[in-house]
Amino acid sequence: EDKVVQSPLSLVVHEGDTVTLNCSYEVTNFRSLLWYKQEKKAPTFLFMLTSSGIEKKSGRLSSILDKKELFSILNITATQTGDSAIYLCAVEGISYSGGGADGLTFGKGTHLIIQP
Amino acid sequence: DAGITQSPRHKVTETGTPVTLRCHQTENHRYMYWYRQDPGHGLRLIHYSYGVKDTDKGEVSDGYSVSRSKTEDFLLTLESATSSQTSVYFCAIRESGVRDSPLHFGNGTRLTVT
Repeated sequence: EDKVVQSPLSLVVHEGDTVTLNCSYEVTNFRSLLWYKQEKKAPTFLFMLTSSGIEKKSGRLSSILDKKELFSILNITATQTGDSAIYLCAVEGISYSGGGADGLTFGKGTHLIIQP
Repeated sequence: DAGITQSPRHKVTETGTPVTLRCHQTENHRYMYWYRQDPGHGLRLIHYSYGVKDTDKGEVSDGYSVSRSKTEDFLLTLESATSSQTSVYFCAIRESGVRDSPLHFGNGTRLTVT
């Protein structure tokens, strides 16, 4: 059974700080690791990390994947109040049944609060 | 919003009644998923579909059934609702023909079972 553990579960920082969110995982036949941001409604996609793409960056957000140690981190630099959200980490293993796309296994999320 | 519409957006129902939630997509994607989200548990997969009439169970499928008679619609049915099924339900799609594509989520249905 696939498993994802995120830490910390909650984090409060001040605007301008840099934060690092952690995600460790166990998955059979690793396919990908994904990060999502969830504000009030639907989770929105941030990054996908695979064997062929272990580092991703978009503006102030960046993520790396360590396939040997089975973890990923999400970094946010120069945080803003708009970064306040729940950040979700998910993994997917290669599936040989069900059409080849069984879905993602999610962690419980990190609730990030940015104070002005 | 990836062309996903969930209905209803909110529903309150009584224990023991059947409930059907609908997910509609406009872009003919092959893969569709139903997740529930609860405090302390995160998102958990209920059922998924990999084509018309092709579905399979996820992690928390007990008490739920699904149907997909058309590419664009994926229905989730609670056969006899219980209070433990009070949750926010999210539908998701995966883009077809795109290698290693992520899931994109609808805006959710908040279901309360009294």
